[in-house]
Amino acid sequence: NAGVTQTPKFRVLKTGQSMTLLCAQDMNHEYMYWYRQDPGMGLRLIHYSVGEGTTAKGEVPDGYNVSRLKKQNFLLGLESAAPSQTSVYFCASSYLASGGPNYYNEQFFGPGTRLTVL
Amino acid sequence: RKEVEQDPGPFNVPEGATVAFNCTYSNSASQSFFWYRQDCRKEPKLLMSVYSSGNEDGRFTAQLNRASQYISLLIRDSKLSDSATYLCVVNPSDTGNQFYFGTGTSLTVIP
Repeated sequence: NAGVTQTPKFRVLKTGQSMTLLCAQDMNHEYMYWYRQDPGMGLRLIHYSVGEGTTAKGEVPDGYNVSRLKKQNFLLGLESAAPSQTSVYFCASSYLASGGPNYYNEQFFGPGTRLTVL
Repeated sequence: RKEVEQDPGPFNVPEGATVAFNCTYSNSASQSFFWYRQDCRKEPKLLMSVYSSGNEDGRFTAQLNRASQYISLLIRDSKLSDSATYLCVVNPSDTGNQFYFGTGTSLTVIP
């Protein structure tokens, strides 16, 4: 049981290049998330998904696109990378709580991807 | 105003000390509250959920004050291994399944 995995672990891009970050989870979780973490800013939600085939914008979605074609995978794309997108990117997944509101849903995080855009 | 605010610290305490962190949140509709721990250059991991009545897990105690919109984390008998950044996390029920993270409070336990 690998939990949440992210590919790649590190990447350096030049301004204007594109790339896709892959997140995979083997816990059959419904919800998946992409965050970025910057010094002094905490984790900020980029996009999230509440199920296969669905995505939604988070707090800082501009410059990113996502897709969730399979329940276990959540892809984050940067079409034209900018230096402001230099950050550590974390993927997370969580399960759907039964019986009403999503109380106490633990999120499980991947190890992160360190991206530098020059 | 930020959704979640924490004192960034750093807190430097000797082994065996008791230390407390506070966190305030702005959305009164918030329903779920958590403390996560993040070690340097690692991913966040759940430390404990925060229940309305308060809860304890070994040396760790979490409290929720809905009227004042803050949550707290108390660590008793600090160990060297408690050195980490502690993240306050809030899930407002009116924002779907989005979670808001504080910037974290840095703790260093000194021998």
